[in-house]
Amino acid sequence: EDQVTQSPEALRLQEGESSSLNCSYTVSGLRGLFWYRQDPGKGPEFLFTLYSAGEEKEKERLKATLTKKESFLHITAPKPEDSATYLCAVQATSGTYKYIFGTGTRLKVLA
Amino acid sequence: NAGVMQNPRHLVRRRGQEARLRCSPMKGHSHVYWYRQLPEEGLKFMVYLQKENIIDESGMPKERFSAEFPKEGPSILRIQQVVRGDSAAYFCASSPGRGFYEQYFGPGTRLTVT
Repeated sequence: EDQVTQSPEALRLQEGESSSLNCSYTVSGLRGLFWYRQDPGKGPEFLFTLYSAGEEKEKERLKATLTKKESFLHITAPKPEDSATYLCAVQATSGTYKYIFGTGTRLKVLA
Repeated sequence: NAGVMQNPRHLVRRRGQEARLRCSPMKGHSHVYWYRQLPEEGLKFMVYLQKENIIDESGMPKERFSAEFPKEGPSILRIQQVVRGDSAAYFCASSPGRGFYEQYFGPGTRLTVT
């Protein structure tokens, strides 16, 4: 069964304290892995797509990486405005284009 | 340059009533997905549609729930005879079509069943 697990569930960082969020996945075949940011009361906001192991994408203080079993979202020198829930989703080659989501990591960055 | 639009943003229904949730995809997008987010749970896939066609409804409860995406107008997610357990945030996402993997989400409709 296709599955996505994110860790930790929650993370508190001081401003400027870099860290990484983990997304482990089990799929029959990976079509793509996606990272989203979700603020309270809003819809998920697209961040990155990764297609194959070894791929990396960067945007401002965020960098996403992918291996055959997991993805990491690295946050460098975070700011309070980076506080949000970060969601990981996969698309499997065996299915349609639906997403399988993890439960997310709630990030709080303290000033 | 409108994104995905959903309405209403908040909907309150009494048990047994019907709920209709609307989704207008981004301009140029012909594929729509519906997801449900229960409190303290992750987003769960419900249904995937293109205009006038249901592609995948494997996540849709067998009873009371239906979805459509007509040739003209928004996609509709319809929940008949709502129960308290239907209270959740319902998100719609769209993509340009097959082969375009990223999905862009709307702001969601928060359904409360009293």
